[in-house]
Amino acid sequence: DAGVIQSPRHEVTEMGQEVTLRCKPISGHDYLFWYRQTMMRGLELLIYFNNNVPIDDSGMPEDRFSAKMPNASFSTLKIQPSEPRDSAVYFCASSYRATNEKLFFGSGTQLSVL
Amino acid sequence: GDSVTQMEGPVTLSEEAFLTINCTYTATGYPSLFWYVQYPGEGLQLLLKATKADDKGSNKGFEATYRKETTSFHLEKGSVQVSDSAVYFCALSENNYGQNFVFGPGTRLSVLP
Repeated sequence: DAGVIQSPRHEVTEMGQEVTLRCKPISGHDYLFWYRQTMMRGLELLIYFNNNVPIDDSGMPEDRFSAKMPNASFSTLKIQPSEPRDSAVYFCASSYRATNEKLFFGSGTQLSVL
Repeated sequence: GDSVTQMEGPVTLSEEAFLTINCTYTATGYPSLFWYVQYPGEGLQLLLKATKADDKGSNKGFEATYRKETTSFHLEKGSVQVSDSAVYFCALSENNYGQNFVFGPGTRLSVLP
């Protein structure tokens, strides 16, 4: 099993640019999560999907952030326009079935907005 | 709402020392409890879990016991190694519909040779 695959691993962009982060969950998993990790705020849940449907996006910081899951094997997190305060590590995670099943995390995307 | 509190780090120990990282939680229901570990440059990975009171989760020499009476899930290891240097996250998941993992802030552990 290849695990959760995220791309790119590192992204450096300028303020105002559009950023797209990508995630391929583990095959067969029906939950997909996007988290953001910063020193100040720790690990924050941004949004999660169940069977490709967004269930809870209350953690999305503002309208500049959007996430999609067009099929069971692919999800994107988009920031438009990006701002320096968006600089963080963004993790994608997936799991199988509801509650108490462990999360499998990708290696993350280190985003730097200059 | 649910929350998880961990002891603040960083924690610095010498190799073979005893480790305890405290974790307490607040939950409306009856959650499952987890410890995740994050090694440098990697995502989090599950270290151990416990799903009911008095359960003990264990893995790689680490242990934690689900204490409902004190709402705690402290992580322990009898003899740490340099390779245990990482950030450790305590987390809970409620037994309700949908997924709802709540993570603590993380505790950074550095083990010196």
